[in-house]
Amino acid sequence: EAGVAQSPRYKIIEKRQSVAFWCNPISGHATLYWYQQILGQGPKLLIQFQNNGVVDDSQLPKDRFSAERLKGVDSTLKIQPAKLEDSAVYLCASSLVKTTGELFFGEGSRLTVL
Amino acid sequence: AQTVTQSQPEMSVQEAETVTLSCTYDTSESDYYLFWYKQPPSRQMILVIRQEAYKQQNATENRFSVNFQKAAKSFSLKISDSQLGDAAMYFCAYRSAHDMRFGAGTRLTVKP
Repeated sequence: EAGVAQSPRYKIIEKRQSVAFWCNPISGHATLYWYQQILGQGPKLLIQFQNNGVVDDSQLPKDRFSAERLKGVDSTLKIQPAKLEDSAVYLCASSLVKTTGELFFGEGSRLTVL
Repeated sequence: AQTVTQSQPEMSVQEAETVTLSCTYDTSESDYYLFWYKQPPSRQMILVIRQEAYKQQNATENRFSVNFQKAAKSFSLKISDSQLGDAAMYFCAYRSAHDMRFGAGTRLTVKP
């Protein structure tokens, strides 16, 4: 079974530029999550999708971050414009069951904003 | 919002010895799940062990076991016979119908 796929693995941009990350969850997993993990900290939930609907985006900085999951499968997270404090690893995870199942994580996309 | 606290930023253990990582959480919900995830350097996070809150029996997975104290809201991870490959960041996580939170993590070093 293929795992959660993310790309790119690494990205370096200047502040005020834009960046997009892509995630393809495990086949059949209806729930998809984007987490931000700043160095030395635990993952912080940015947004949670159930199929193509948003379940929770309360911690998403909506003035600069956006995410979509149009067909209920893969998802894109965009940052525009980026700030220095956005430097982090962006983790995508998926789960089969919305409330009780374990999360399966991708390898993450490491963003450095200069 | 629920909080998950890992009070040990770093721990070290001698190879083949036993180590316990601590985790406490705060919740007003009765139905939830607890997890320990392992994140090796520059590698993806993987599940180590999970515990359903309604189960009294502590979960075990080979060398990994938990001490779940529901009343105290405590969920510690015990690693027996530690191996070099156990070196990683360990995250405690809480999940309910409304929320999923991670602790700040504990960096485990295994000394040969």
